[in-house]
Amino acid sequence: DAGITQSPRHKVTETGTPVTLRCHQTENHRYMYWYRQDPGHGLRLIHYSYGVKDTDKGEVSDGYSVSRSKTEDFLLTLESATSSQTSVYFCAISVTGVKQFFGPGTRLTVL
Amino acid sequence: QKEVEQDPGPLSVPEGAIVSLNCTYSNSAFQYFMWYRQYSRKGPELLMYTYSSGNKEDGRFTAQVDKSSKYISLFIRDSQPSDSATYLCAMSADGGGSQGNLIFGKGTKLSVKP
Repeated sequence: DAGITQSPRHKVTETGTPVTLRCHQTENHRYMYWYRQDPGHGLRLIHYSYGVKDTDKGEVSDGYSVSRSKTEDFLLTLESATSSQTSVYFCAISVTGVKQFFGPGTRLTVL
Repeated sequence: QKEVEQDPGPLSVPEGAIVSLNCTYSNSAFQYFMWYRQYSRKGPELLMYTYSSGNKEDGRFTAQVDKSSKYISLFIRDSQPSDSATYLCAMSADGGGSQGNLIFGKGTKLSVKP
């Protein structure tokens, strides 16, 4: 998985609780991305980062925030988890922003 | 109209068959095209990358881009059971980067039967 780890790999939480997912890379790539993958919707971009402390919103950013204080770490936070945020979350990294390499994913269930 | 259309399948073929997977798109500005392979419960894996039009071959895999028809294809020769996976097409107009706009198809599920 191209030097990308995601933690946790599985999480079950309750509606209304905050959740933070972590993406860690060992490749020193500039660009990092968070996607969610849902049946019938495919992969959708939540947020991305083009450098330390440089982030921007993607297609489905409502209810999510991100932070990148170090090149190697990109955090995704669900401020107050809802059942609609039950999904598989993938982190991706890229040198140029075109060829993106994905992590193993985090399966999140919000009850 | 969705920006990227991909038949979800499932597509079932016998081992050794030639497989053709396709995506159509509506945005004529797309110029970077990719195919990803995703095994069940795994992350997508970059399989093929093409810039602009033309063909690219890598082993048993060939990617084709026809910008005039807004159509891309992935061919798998001598398909193997290990090729059973979901194949996602992806494309971008400006190289992603600070715009972060890689657009994915929903994927085609392929099953290769021994």
